[in-house]
Amino acid sequence: GEDVEQSLFLSVREGDSSVINCTYTDSSSTYLYWYKQEPGAGLQLLTYIFSNMDMKQDQRLTVLLNKKDKHLSLRIADTQTGDSAIYFCAESRRRALTFGSGTRLQVQP
Amino acid sequence: DAEITQSPRHKITETGRQVTLACHQTWNHNNMFWYRQDLGHGLRLIHYSYGVQDTNKGEVSDGYSVSRSNTEDLPLTLESAASSQTSVYFCASSESGSSYEQYFGPGTRLTVT
Repeated sequence: GEDVEQSLFLSVREGDSSVINCTYTDSSSTYLYWYKQEPGAGLQLLTYIFSNMDMKQDQRLTVLLNKKDKHLSLRIADTQTGDSAIYFCAESRRRALTFGSGTRLQVQP
Repeated sequence: DAEITQSPRHKITETGRQVTLACHQTWNHNNMFWYRQDLGHGLRLIHYSYGVQDTNKGEVSDGYSVSRSNTEDLPLTLESAASSQTSVYFCASSESGSSYEQYFGPGTRLTVT
């Protein structure tokens, strides 16, 4: 099975908050990442969090990390139609990344 | 501006043929990676390199090879293409820093018929 797990799909209304969840297995991961992939494009780094932090905020994005439960979440405030994409969480193992299978976020007007 | 490019963007080939996918980065990054993306599997690591003349196998390396003769390029070769290798391939690079942020190319869609 996947070492990094995410739910496959999330649908929200424009203006609502979105919360995308992820669980990982490697407690030695130094950094955890959120990437965004728009249709037909490569992955774009949204944000990352160092493993000794429990929260990081960057404009509309809030990342929460629960190391005890190996749980990572990404909250997008005031979700817009332009946020519709696939979101991947990833953990670092040395210099390589292990990705989850991605969560497709659909934003309804 | 620095960038990472992949070519071709789309490729159709026949089973058994050798195929090489190009990846070129101008970030001057030491670390380069190849992933494949398949529905339901996210991105899986094929091969990676930490510098010139260094190559390492990833999670799904069977049937693939890479070579690193300079900093900028990491070509991925499918020795004898199989239908199971139909996928979207992404190249990425990162500097040898502490955050290991990876920059991704636009991807190559490969179809093996």
